[in-house]
Amino acid sequence: DTEVTQTPKHLVMGMTNKKSLKCEQHMGHRAMYWYKQKAKKPPELMFVYSYEKLSINESVPSRFSPECPNSSLLNLHLHALQPEDSALYLCASSWGEPNTGELFFGEGSRLTVL
Amino acid sequence: AQSVTQLDSHVSVSEGTPVLLRCNYSSSYSPSLFWYVQHPNKGLQLLLKYTSAATLVKGINGFEAEFKKSETSFHLTKPSAHMSDAAEYFCVVSSFSGSQGNLIFGKGTKLSVKP
Repeated sequence: DTEVTQTPKHLVMGMTNKKSLKCEQHMGHRAMYWYKQKAKKPPELMFVYSYEKLSINESVPSRFSPECPNSSLLNLHLHALQPEDSALYLCASSWGEPNTGELFFGEGSRLTVL
Repeated sequence: AQSVTQLDSHVSVSEGTPVLLRCNYSSSYSPSLFWYVQHPNKGLQLLLKYTSAATLVKGINGFEAEFKKSETSFHLTKPSAHMSDAAEYFCVVSSFSGSQGNLIFGKGTKLSVKP
């Protein structure tokens, strides 16, 4: 069982909707990540939070808005998405400096944009 | 610059036969290397990691990998494949570039296991 919990597991939204993806971990990790994964591709890094501050933004469009309310929670707010944004969105967390060690992944939220 | 190359996009083996998934890396610094497994519609799970200790690394589910600096390789092996090993496998290299950590994913290798 994963110790990183993502909700919802599945989400269908229209291009004018606003929705949020949520991620929670209670391992005391101080780095948290959002990845986007298209079918048959590796995960692509979107955002990294380190000690609740945004440390990496991989030039992600502003229709994706991350938020880290506290050290255990990570949200991804979605607004005015496009059909090409349909993908599996993975949350991960890690100890220590971001992007240097083992990542613990959630099971993902599968997003479909109509 | 860091990079990672998984040499096979798809590997097919019969149940009970050995598994070899190949990974080559390039790194300007001493790298950490990881293998992750992803079953269909699931997140990624760490199989094993190399962080400059023993060059032969044992992981979960009977997998192991050997770090060979001279060949810049970190191939994943298992003596006997099981049906449950069918999944996508990602090789990942981690190193510092400037002041920032950097994680690079390989493109993945899909492992099929035939009965």
